[in-house]
Amino acid sequence: GAVVSQHPSWVICKSGTSVKIECRSLDFQATTMFWYRQFPKQSLMLMATSNEGSKATYEQGVEKDKFLINHASLTLSTLTVTSAHPEDSSFYICSATHSNQPQHFGDGTRLSIL
Amino acid sequence: AQSVTQPDIHITVSEGASLELRCNYSYGATPYLFWYVQSPGQGLQLLLKYFSGDTLVQGIKGFEAEFKRSQSSFNLRKPSVHWSDAAEYFCAVGPGYGGSQGNLIFGKGTKLSVKP
Repeated sequence: GAVVSQHPSWVICKSGTSVKIECRSLDFQATTMFWYRQFPKQSLMLMATSNEGSKATYEQGVEKDKFLINHASLTLSTLTVTSAHPEDSSFYICSATHSNQPQHFGDGTRLSIL
Repeated sequence: AQSVTQPDIHITVSEGASLELRCNYSYGATPYLFWYVQSPGQGLQLLLKYFSGDTLVQGIKGFEAEFKRSQSSFNLRKPSVHWSDAAEYFCAVGPGYGGSQGNLIFGKGTKLSVKP
């Protein structure tokens, strides 16, 4: 089945630093990738939709200058959390899709900001 | 408003017992319906999906779900639960044809515990 790889799986960093998370579709070309955020014991909340070669579409309330999304190729999207603070600590999950196929999810990245 | 409700936050069943996880949705158009499973610290794995046709859909790991339009429900079932089924289960709805299956709306999840 379709595989989506997310890296890193866990990152701990100091407040004020920027963190980049990668999402790769390993065996298909992902025309669209999604970035979700999941708080403990909560559901997934869509942050943004990323289409290859165009600017990401952010959900209401998500700061586009803080969560930079780049989808430079059909197999890679990146989420950069800029100047991260403790309140940005969360579990971030990406998904990828093409045509009308269901989204395939990565294994998530646990971000802890000290 | 579009929403997904999973009424049960936590369910505990004995190994070998049957399971039913409830999901109700509110959606303006004909939805696409999904069930995903999430193990601790992991991403989501698609169990099954309903797009159209037969309202009883079969998924992986022995799961099935039935779409009931009149009840706006898409309950997940398994006849005999295994210890490895312990995980968090999410029901989701999304738009139909439109390219990207975007804007999935997730329920809050049901945590399944399995007693030996």
